[in-house]
Amino acid sequence: GQNIDQPTEMTATEGAIVQINCTYQTSGFNGLFWYQQHAGEAPTFLSYNVLDGLEEKGRFSSFLSRSKGYSYLLLKELQMKDSASYLCAVMENGNKLVFGAGTILRVKS
Amino acid sequence: DSGVTQTPKHLITATGQRVTLRCSPRSGDLSVYWYQQSLDQGLQFLIQYYNGEERAKGNILERFSAQQFPDLHSELNLSSLELGDSALYFCASSPTGTGNNEQFFGPGTRLTVL
Repeated sequence: GQNIDQPTEMTATEGAIVQINCTYQTSGFNGLFWYQQHAGEAPTFLSYNVLDGLEEKGRFSSFLSRSKGYSYLLLKELQMKDSASYLCAVMENGNKLVFGAGTILRVKS
Repeated sequence: DSGVTQTPKHLITATGQRVTLRCSPRSGDLSVYWYQQSLDQGLQFLIQYYNGEERAKGNILERFSAQQFPDLHSELNLSSLELGDSALYFCASSPTGTGNNEQFFGPGTRLTVL
């Protein structure tokens, strides 16, 4: 079966660093995506990992360990506008993108 | 703005009715994906089309169907609507439809079934 687990909610302080973890068990693996979604809006792409290691993109970094079925999204220098839901998604065989339930991040001042 | 357009933005209808949601992909994208997002289910993949052909199928009910037309726009048809079909329906597009393609999401259609 398919299972993607993320924490339901996290709270962090403006200017801090936060790490959102994602573990997965899926049928096949063609890469892992992180998306950001503000309430009532469309998800927007943040990162893609298909090989093990860290991908850095400005204030956002994403890490993947395929052997452990584990990824994390690291957000640095948090800003109030980073308050959103963060979705971990795995591309299974056959181009099927399976999403986790999302982690609601609240950034407080 | 992702370049993906969806109409209508909001739709309110009654149980038992049928509706059609429309999506235009980004210019040049051949692949279209449909997703359903409800409060208790999260984002669920429904179906993917690539250049007019069905490419992948997710948790799509038999009451739902979709197609992609020669001009690459897509329609999602929902019939015999039930209260539980109330959700946000997103369309996404990507250049090809293989694994590492980023999917660009449209603004969504909010469907309310009363």
